[in-house]
Amino acid sequence: DTAVSQTPKYLVTQMGNDKSIKCEQNLGHDTMYWYKQDSKKFLKIMFSYNNKELIINETVPNRFSPKSPDKAHLNLHINSLELGDSAVYFCASSERGSGQETQYFGPGTRLLVL
Amino acid sequence: AQSVTQPDIHITVSEGASLELRCNYSYGATPYLFWYVQSPGQGLQLLLKYFSGDTLVQGIKGFEAEFKRSQSSFNLRKPSVHWSDAAEYFCAVGAGDDKIIFGKGTRLHILP
Repeated sequence: DTAVSQTPKYLVTQMGNDKSIKCEQNLGHDTMYWYKQDSKKFLKIMFSYNNKELIINETVPNRFSPKSPDKAHLNLHINSLELGDSAVYFCASSERGSGQETQYFGPGTRLLVL
Repeated sequence: AQSVTQPDIHITVSEGASLELRCNYSYGATPYLFWYVQSPGQGLQLLLKYFSGDTLVQGIKGFEAEFKRSQSSFNLRKPSVHWSDAAEYFCAVGAGDDKIIFGKGTRLHILP
């Protein structure tokens, strides 16, 4: 009955590979987000989707492509992985998507690119 | 544009001592302010939030925060910390658009 879940929890891969991270929320929220947390713990938003529509797209390389098959799921696909992509990626959701709402975070996916 | 500053990267306090974590924000209008906690290896959990009304906000786990508009601050406090409070604490500000901007975090260490 986890509210926001992510798979996998850990991901170790070689440079140049393509990988996906999946996120699901069972809170009935309209908006979902992807954040990247670097080694210095800095948390930066990458994308947000509201009802399957892209709302926020920060300055992120186009190797990163989010996909939202329905409003309960937001997946992140990364092409041609680079060493600098190593980080913890957090999925989050909120009820409607305004900057005034509580966001509920998943446990994170720890990506290590070798 | 809104921004959040947490001036202390690390804070160390003894178990049972009081705690104050500092947060300053920059935003032209009335901000929406949040404190989140991240335990080791975990995601972020909301501690408390301020939208309007009483400037002293109570949160979970015995935490409180006070909004001071004149100082553009939203400091987090706890009268007596427990070893389980050791974690990373993030202050965040939300605006009228869709984003919440997070500070860089303060790592809290607890001495036995």
